[in-house]
Amino acid sequence: QQQVKQSPQSLIVQKGGISIINCAYENTAFDYFPWYQQFPGKGPALLIAIRPDVSEKKEGRFTISFNKSAKQFSLHIMDSQPGDSATYFCAASINSNSGYALNFGKGTSLLVTP
Amino acid sequence: NAGVTQTPKFRVLKTGQSMTLLCAQDMNHEYMYWYRQDPGMGLRLIHYSVGEGTTAKGEVPDGYNVSRLKKQNFLLGLESAAPSQTSVYFCASSYNRGILNTEAFFGQGTRLTVV
Repeated sequence: QQQVKQSPQSLIVQKGGISIINCAYENTAFDYFPWYQQFPGKGPALLIAIRPDVSEKKEGRFTISFNKSAKQFSLHIMDSQPGDSATYFCAASINSNSGYALNFGKGTSLLVTP
Repeated sequence: NAGVTQTPKFRVLKTGQSMTLLCAQDMNHEYMYWYRQDPGMGLRLIHYSVGEGTTAKGEVPDGYNVSRLKKQNFLLGLESAAPSQTSVYFCASSYNRGILNTEAFFGQGTRLTVV
């Protein structure tokens, strides 16, 4: 059972536009919400992460918005660039007996056109 | 600093054959994980380890076994490969920082095809 639901499955954005990817979760015990970026043939790499005590975190062109009451969080990529074309995964985890094992969404394939 | 290294990068197996995937990390991380990635499914946890000599089942453990005899290595075994195990396998590791979750570092993946 998917614990983190991600949408859309794919996204096409023009260069300079805003890319928005949404995720929702059910388990209120989750306390860490990272976004991973994956390029073809590579492993996922941490892009940005947030904890539930803040509603927004910004790093450069990437922003996470977090709505604890709605159990939703989203990734915004401002001024999207062709180099941002990749697959993005949201995830959630808790510190438990499983360490920090990540529960991933199914991923969003982003294509930024020139 | 190599980070997380997976061996091999590609492998083709016949149904019923066995193999072991090796994951090595040089960051002195306590936690290690094996995930599989399938199209449209995201990454799913197979097994994990919270320390040397300890392993546990994740979301999709059937058909796999693991061992962590050394802190830096985490092995994933397939005793009798099945076509359903065709996938890309990723190993990851992370620090134990108590109540604070930390970044998981991923290897480059092993693409396994079972025919």
